[in-house]
Amino acid sequence: DTEVTQTPKHLVMGMTNKKSLKCEQHMGHRAMYWYKQKAKKPPELMFVYSYEKLSINESVPSRFSPECPNSSLLNLHLHALQPEDSALYLCASSHEAGGRTDTQYFGPGTRLTVL
Amino acid sequence: AQSVTQPDIHITVSEGASLELRCNYSYGATPYLFWYVQSPGQGLQLLLKYFSGDTLVQGIKGFEAEFKRSQSSFNLRKPSVHWSDAAEYFCAVGYNFNKFYFGSGTKLNVKP
Repeated sequence: DTEVTQTPKHLVMGMTNKKSLKCEQHMGHRAMYWYKQKAKKPPELMFVYSYEKLSINESVPSRFSPECPNSSLLNLHLHALQPEDSALYLCASSHEAGGRTDTQYFGPGTRLTVL
Repeated sequence: AQSVTQPDIHITVSEGASLELRCNYSYGATPYLFWYVQSPGQGLQLLLKYFSGDTLVQGIKGFEAEFKRSQSSFNLRKPSVHWSDAAEYFCAVGYNFNKFYFGSGTKLNVKP
């Protein structure tokens, strides 16, 4: 089973709202990722968690706040977003972590619209 | 610097025809190469990967890809395309600390 689940599927929020995206995997993977994908563009890496610790932050604005409460769960907390943050947010996980390259398995994504 | 180039933005093929999607990479060390497919509004599904060994790799849905180090290429092929193959295809290179660098994608249309 190589399933990564994400909730919600769709999210509409105002610029003053606080919301969270959730990602879950039960494959025992030790690395988890957040990507942002704009229309007709490839995914762009935002954050990498390795063994539940933040290992990479690709200079993402602080209005995006990741959290990894345990090895199976990854959250992305959203606050004071801008309309240009509207995108498909993808979560991924991989078995290997700590610097080794490995296959990443992606969830279906959350379609975020910021009004 | 690492980069991945997918020269074809759009490709249209007839159902039943063969398909080849091109991918060229620039990376100093041994690359880890991937092909993913994405249907509209969906996540990315892994088609196949190359880490080492046999340079011709088989994937799901009848796809295969060949790694050619001399040409820095990892082209995706399918002998007979089905209408359900219409989607966006991304080539990716994995490098340090499990960071992936994605190509810009190729959108495949399939004519009946």
